[in-house]
Amino acid sequence: DAGVTQSPTHLIKTRGQQVTLRCSPKSGHDTVSWYQQALGQGPQFIFQYYEEEERQRGNFPDRFSGHQFPNYSSELNVNALLLGDSALYLCASSLKAGGPLFFGPGTRLTVL
Amino acid sequence: GESVGLHLPTLSVQEGDNSIINCAYSNSASDYFIWYKQESGKGPQFIIDIRSNMDKRQGQRVTVLLNKTVKHLSLQIAATQPGDSAVYFCAESLTGTASKLTFGTGTRLQVTL
Repeated sequence: DAGVTQSPTHLIKTRGQQVTLRCSPKSGHDTVSWYQQALGQGPQFIFQYYEEEERQRGNFPDRFSGHQFPNYSSELNVNALLLGDSALYLCASSLKAGGPLFFGPGTRLTVL
Repeated sequence: GESVGLHLPTLSVQEGDNSIINCAYSNSASDYFIWYKQESGKGPQFIIDIRSNMDKRQGQRVTVLLNKTVKHLSLQIAATQPGDSAVYFCAESLTGTASKLTFGTGTRLQVTL
């Protein structure tokens, strides 16, 4: 049974560019949440997708957007990248919006 | 692998001893709490959870204690093993579920032989 998978594992971008990160949830899960983890800190909630709609959102600007597809996979898009966007981006899936979270290994984004 | 945290508080424990990791949570209205373990290069892994109507919950080798009066959470690991070495995070929720978690800053547990 495959767990949560994310791609790519590492990514380097320059300021002002746009990036798309991808996540496939654990088999049987229908809800995807995204978290940002800066070095030395705990993860911070970005948003949650369920039934292809954004259901909850954390304190992140509109530059951060997402999408959920009919197969429950999800994308996180970040526009106009800033140096401060450098972080580990974690995807977590669950069965329905309140179920236990299973995290993926993350995508390490470096903005130069 | 990925370095989870370079400047985190560190707890050093000898193999076989018990570990106690503490967490001060931020919101007195939080009603659900979770402890996660994060190893280098991996995402957080669920350890144990507790709801606000409880003050203690036990799992396999782990116990979580909740003191709502002082907004304090602790994780006790019995007979600590080298495989327990990781960064541990507490997380809180206002929704009674794992939706929209607020994580603490984490504690690095180092198990010495």
